[in-house]
This record gives sequence, structure tokens and C-alpha cells, in this order.
Amino acid sequence: GDSVTQTEGLVTVTEGLPVKLNCTYQTTYLTIAFFWYVQYLNEAPQVLLKSSTDNKRTEHQGFHATLHKSSSSFHLQKSSAQLSDSALYYCALMAGNTGKLIFGLGTTLQVQP
Amino acid sequence: ETAVFQTPNYHVTQVGNEVSFNCKQTLGHDTMYWYKQDSKKLLKIMFSYNNKQLIVNETVPRRFSPQSSDKAHLNLRIKSVEPEDSAVYLCASSFYEQYFGPGTRLTVL
Repeated sequence: GDSVTQTEGLVTVTEGLPVKLNCTYQTTYLTIAFFWYVQYLNEAPQVLLKSSTDNKRTEHQGFHATLHKSSSSFHLQKSSAQLSDSALYYCALMAGNTGKLIFGLGTTLQVQP
Repeated sequence: ETAVFQTPNYHVTQVGNEVSFNCKQTLGHDTMYWYKQDSKKLLKIMFSYNNKQLIVNETVPRRFSPQSSDKAHLNLRIKSVEPEDSAVYLCASSFYEQYFGPGTRLTVL
């Protein structure tokens, strides 16, 4: 079946340093879209990035990600982490045209001074 | 700016009671969802409705039942709550990407 894997449950990084959150997937669908959702404490998840184009970089709020179908990945990166980036990040796959999202387990990002 | 509204924010109840949660979206979307976010932050879809038609019914216990009066509203009823139902229930709507409500935190004593 379809699945999304986020290997790190917790990532801790020092402010100003780069950060990378990993996301890989398995699906048999040819038409797919990917999302990164961010959930701040006591708030609703919200879309951070989205992509459906292979090998095209997408950016928002200093974060970027590139969908690589050859490696089944959609890693999230930022060159300089900020304290305000501390949150829970979900990678999610939309397979086919159902609109259904399959979420990874989530990665908590802690940015420390 | 909130466009998916959920009530109540919190609910504490005892095992065996019935609870209902409400969700309304003002985005004009045709599709709405209910998710469960457990204590480990695992986010799992429970139901999906497209213009009042149930299109996805994941394997959830029968005590859970979604109710939709129109495409802007999707409620969730739990007939007889159990301790493992303690979680945050998130409502979402979509045309393409999903927009989430703030959630209802259920605590079952």
C-alpha cells in the first residue's frame, strides 16, 4: 500500500545552522502530489510547501523541497534555522485523484539558541 | 485567518457517554475530512465526505459516525466513548490542499 516515512521523530538544531527533515514514500500511483504541513503548538496543521512536479524546487518561508521520483523523496530543507521554526512537521502524499492524504509520523523540529 | 471552525475546543467526558463534535467550513470546498491525532501525534484519516457523500470510510470502530447536513458542515458523533478515544480530532476541507480546523481535544476519563 501507499506509505510515507519520516525517519526522525525529533531533530534538534542550533539557530542559524541548516536543517533537513527527511521524507520518503512508497506508492503505485503515477499521479502524485506532496505536501509539507507544519503544526505549531496548539494550532492546526497548515500547508508549508506543495509539489507535484518531478525535480522542481519549491520554496516558501525560507524552506525548500524538491520532489525526486527517482529516489521517492521529498526532503524539507532550510539553510538557516530560526527559533520560530520550532514545530511539528508532517510530510504527506496525495496519491491519485482521491484527495486523500497519507501522512508520515511527523518530525518535531527543535531550534535552540 | 480561520476558515474551518470546530466546536467545542475541549471536551472531557466519562467512558460510555456519547459526544458530538461540529465542524463548519466557509471556503466553499466540496470535500471535508475527519482526522484523529493521537498522543504520539500520529495523524490518521477517519472519514471523508464529498458534497454530503461518504467517499472514504477508514477502518474505525462503529461507535464513530460522521454526519453531514450540507457540504459546509461535517459533524462527528461517538456513541459510547472509550479511553482510547482520547485524542485531538481535526476537521479539514479541501479543493486541492487540505485546510485544517483548530481541533477538538477529547479526554475520556
